[in-house]
Amino acid sequence: NAGVTQTPKFRVLKTGQSMTLLCAQDMNHEYMYWYRQDPGMGLRLIHYSVGEGTTAKGEVPDGYNVSRLKKQNFLLGLESAAPSQTSVYFCASSRRQPQEAFFGQGTRLTVV
Amino acid sequence: DAKTTQPPSMDCAEGRAANLPCNHSTISGNEYVYWYRQIHSQGPQYIIHGLKNNETNEMASLIITEDRKSSTLILPHATLRDTAVYYCIVANAGGTSYGKLTFGQGTILTVHP
Repeated sequence: NAGVTQTPKFRVLKTGQSMTLLCAQDMNHEYMYWYRQDPGMGLRLIHYSVGEGTTAKGEVPDGYNVSRLKKQNFLLGLESAAPSQTSVYFCASSRRQPQEAFFGQGTRLTVV
Repeated sequence: DAKTTQPPSMDCAEGRAANLPCNHSTISGNEYVYWYRQIHSQGPQYIIHGLKNNETNEMASLIITEDRKSSTLILPHATLRDTAVYYCIVANAGGTSYGKLTFGQGTILTVHP
């Protein structure tokens, strides 16, 4: 019973490099989300998707792009990484109702 | 979504009940109260949610006041593994909220032996 799986778990990038974080869920959930968490703070929503082929901006979308080509996958891209994007990234998914969200174990990203 | 206020930290003895309060005085009629916890930087874990009635599941109980302006999460027999950051979140469960969650700072619960 995998739930929500994030790949990779750790990554170090140089400033200006690009990368894609992959989130996969096996619960047939409609909604998927990307959050970031900085030290000592709560999670902040970056982007979210309410279905295959749809995406929307969250609270802190700048510097990120997302795609949801398949219902089970939600990709988060950094086109040109900056040190301010050093954070722990969490993916989550939920059904339409009752919207209990399931989270992945996180990706720890360091941009140097 | 309505804002929530939680104490920054609380302590509890192992085996005793842990009662975590949350104020949400601006909650609107169609907003639910959700509780999540995050253990040592793992992904947040759903605990329980409710609209206006008290709720109980295998993990915890949720007590919501009659005016819905505050709630209490109860862990009936706290263990060391319950040490975590607990987040109280108010969100609209339907419509255009699409399950988006707004996390505050939460309450750091430390369970002592």
